[in-house]
Amino acid sequence: GESVGLHLPTLSVQEGDNSIINCAYSNSASDYFIWYKQESGKGPQFIIDIRSNMDKRQGQRVTVLLNKTVKHLSLQIAATQPGDSAVYFCAENISGGYQKVTFGTGTKLQVIP
Amino acid sequence: EAGVTQSPTHLIKTRGQQVTLRCSPISGHTSVYWYQQALGLGLQFLLWYDEGEERNRGNFPPRFSGRQFPNYSSELNVNALELEDSALYLCASRRKASSYEQYFGPGTRLTVT
Repeated sequence: GESVGLHLPTLSVQEGDNSIINCAYSNSASDYFIWYKQESGKGPQFIIDIRSNMDKRQGQRVTVLLNKTVKHLSLQIAATQPGDSAVYFCAENISGGYQKVTFGTGTKLQVIP
Repeated sequence: EAGVTQSPTHLIKTRGQQVTLRCSPISGHTSVYWYQQALGLGLQFLLWYDEGEERNRGNFPPRFSGRQFPNYSSELNVNALELEDSALYLCASRRKASSYEQYFGPGTRLTVT
């Protein structure tokens, strides 16, 4: 069955350093991936997405890398700030099945001032 | 534009009772998704409604049900509550025929005692 998981449940990073959050997925049919950020007491917020025909996409301070060979996804946050502290989820989606996005457990990012 | 809203914010029920959670999508969004997020776990897909119809449901028992109204708002009903139903219930909306991005509400925290 399809599954999405994260390697590290908690990641502590010094303010100003770069953060890398990893995600593994098992369904090779997944062709669209999303990263969400969930702050305490709030619902998840969209950060960045990437389609399977790409291997890299950049946003503002964030970069998502996709390695389809090993079914691995990562989110890189440059110059991590205290406001980046949150739980980050990756999610996979299959075209035509977009009504059922599969989320991973999440990684908690703690930024040390 | 106003985001996705959910009510109530918090709810405490006893085992065996029934509960109704409500969600109002972003204006212009026709799809509504429901997710269950138990403490320390990822988001589990519950239900998807689009244009007033249930399009898909996750691996949950029939006592989890819902509906979508003509104005695209939605209700999630849970009958015969069990202790393990304690979780954050998140609603998300999506604009039809757009990207797969879902916009989440703040959630309803349900505690079953």
